[in-house]
Parts: sequence; structure tokens; C-alpha cells
Amino acid sequence: SQKIEQNSEALNIQEGKTATLTCNYTNYSPAYLQWYRQDPGRGPVFLLLIRENEKEKRKERLKVTFDTTLKQSLFHITASQPADSATYLCALSNTGNQFYFGTGTSLTVIP
Amino acid sequence: SQTIHQWPATLVQPVGSPLSLECTVEGTSNPNLYWYRQAAGRGLQLLFYSVGIGQISSEVPQNLSASRPQDRQFILSSKKLLLSDSGFYLCAWRGQSSLNYGYTFGSGTRLTVV
Repeated sequence: SQKIEQNSEALNIQEGKTATLTCNYTNYSPAYLQWYRQDPGRGPVFLLLIRENEKEKRKERLKVTFDTTLKQSLFHITASQPADSATYLCALSNTGNQFYFGTGTSLTVIP
Repeated sequence: SQTIHQWPATLVQPVGSPLSLECTVEGTSNPNLYWYRQAAGRGLQLLFYSVGIGQISSEVPQNLSASRPQDRQFILSSKKLLLSDSGFYLCAWRGQSSLNYGYTFGSGTRLTVV
């Protein structure tokens, strides 16, 4: 079955720096990859979707890359702010119908 | 605008008791509907999804079941809860033609089986 791995350790960065989170997968060939933000005790909130034929997608301070050769997606938050502190989840699908999630990476932006 | 309602917010149930969690969506028609579970320290596990009334796909064999009696209603049930059923249950929807968008999740139900 598919395996989706995200940094299990929490990531702490200084305000203003760029945060980079990693999502690696095996035994899978997703056509779609999504990133979500989740705050404690709440449901995830959709941020970005990228397709397998798209190398990079941007939205405001967010940038996502999708490398199907490396089987990896990188999620960048530039000019990070304390309000960006949350857990970030990647999710993959090969049909666009049902998505499978990674375990998430906790990000803390230190003022 | 579309909204998703999920209740209750928290639930404490004894082992062996039944379960019914309800999710409804407003402001859209014919949505894809999903039930996910998030156990402590683990990712979201897809339990069930539905592309239409009465159409349920199960991802993981377990003592849970799902039903979709109406277009915008999705119900998660169990006849007898196990301790391992504890977790954070999330309902989500996505439009069938909105591939550029992700799921919209409900606020979740924190279930503790004691």
C-alpha cells in the first residue's frame, strides 16, 4: 500500500525566514498532491493543489513543488510569521477522488 | 456559500455502545463526501467516501459503517464501539467538478471510548 512520509520532528524557525516542509511517498503514483494546514482541535484547511504535470505552484507566500522522479513534494512558506505556526499535512491521490494523508509536520515560527 | 456541519463536537462512549455521527452539507448539490479518522500522533485515515446517495466505498475493514440517506447527509455508525475506535472524526466534502480545490472539512468530533 502507499506510504506517505512527512518530517516527524517539529520544525522551529525564526520569523521572517523561509520554512520548508517535505512530503515523500512510496508505492504510489499520485496524479494530484494537496497541502493543508491544521490547527489544534480543528479540521484541516486546504491550501494548494498541484498536478503531476506541474512542477511548481505558488499562492501568495506559499510555494509547492512536485517531483514525480524523486517522489517528493516540498512546501515553502516565505517570510514566515508566528501566525503560520500549525501542523501542515500533505495528501495524495491518483484519481482526484479520494486523497490519502501524511502524518503532518508541526511548524513553529518564533518571533 | 457552502457550509458543512458535524456533530457532536465531543463524545464519550463506553465500550460496546452504539455510535452515530452525522454530517450535513449546505449550499451545494451532489458533493463527494468523506469520513476520516485522526488518531493521536497519526495522520488522517480515510474510512469511507461516497459519490452519491446510497453509494459508499469503504477503505478500511472495521466495525464502522457509513450511510448516505440524502444527497447532503453522511452518517458514520457503529453497533458496538471498541477502545481502538477513539479518535478525532472528520467529515469532509468536495464538489465533483472542482478538482482545483481540496476538501472542506467539518469541525470534527472528538470520540473517546472508555
